Amino acid sequence: EPEVTQTPSHQVTQMGQEVILRCVPISNHLYFYWYRQILGQKVEFLVSFYNNEISEKSEIFDDQFSVERPDGSNFTLKIRSTKLEDSAMYFCASRLRQSSYEQYFGPGTRLTVT
Amino acid sequence: GEDVEQSLFLSVREGDSSVINCTYTDSSSTYLYWYKQEPGAGLQLLTYIFSNMDMKQDQRLTVLLNKKDKHLSLRIADTQTGDSAIYFCAESLNAGNMLTFGGGTRLMVKP
Repeated sequence: EPEVTQTPSHQVTQMGQEVILRCVPISNHLYFYWYRQILGQKVEFLVSFYNNEISEKSEIFDDQFSVERPDGSNFTLKIRSTKLEDSAMYFCASRLRQSSYEQYFGPGTRLTVT
Repeated sequence: GEDVEQSLFLSVREGDSSVINCTYTDSSSTYLYWYKQEPGAGLQLLTYIFSNMDMKQDQRLTVLLNKKDKHLSLRIADTQTGDSAIYFCAESLNAGNMLTFGGGTRLMVKP
């Protein structure tokens, strides 16, 4: 069964460094998302992406964050200058088409900023 | 803004029914979802219900929606040890819109 994959599973970085989290959505899906979950808190929406554009973003998704679909398979989240409070589990999700209800989630990347 | 709340923990014996509850604040919520997360895995959609429905049944799962009270529940019949996981309630205004999640309920099933 097709699934969303994410790499790496765990990333440790120093404060102020740039980090890129990678996702491979399900191959024929058209809509892509990033969510995050800080330890002990709720899963929070960051951004949605369709047709090479951001469709919707939350207040969390400030200028330090960017997303890109550099080729036909990858979907990336970049954090330019990481802060301690960026430490979280980051989930990528994809959705097939406009009429689809289900967002398929990847297993997540745990980002630890030291 | 929207808020979704769940109790943190539920423990049941194998074979019993489990009922996981969720409340939400946004009366505009059109789609309500239940996701399951097993250790080391992503969020798996179990079922969803539209706001114009009261109930949806899917094998061992029954979802009840009380729109007046903004209350959603997930009943798992004949709970098995493999059902042990964290269950998240989520809502969205439209299909494909951002999901707003509850904090998750950890279900522990004792043999």
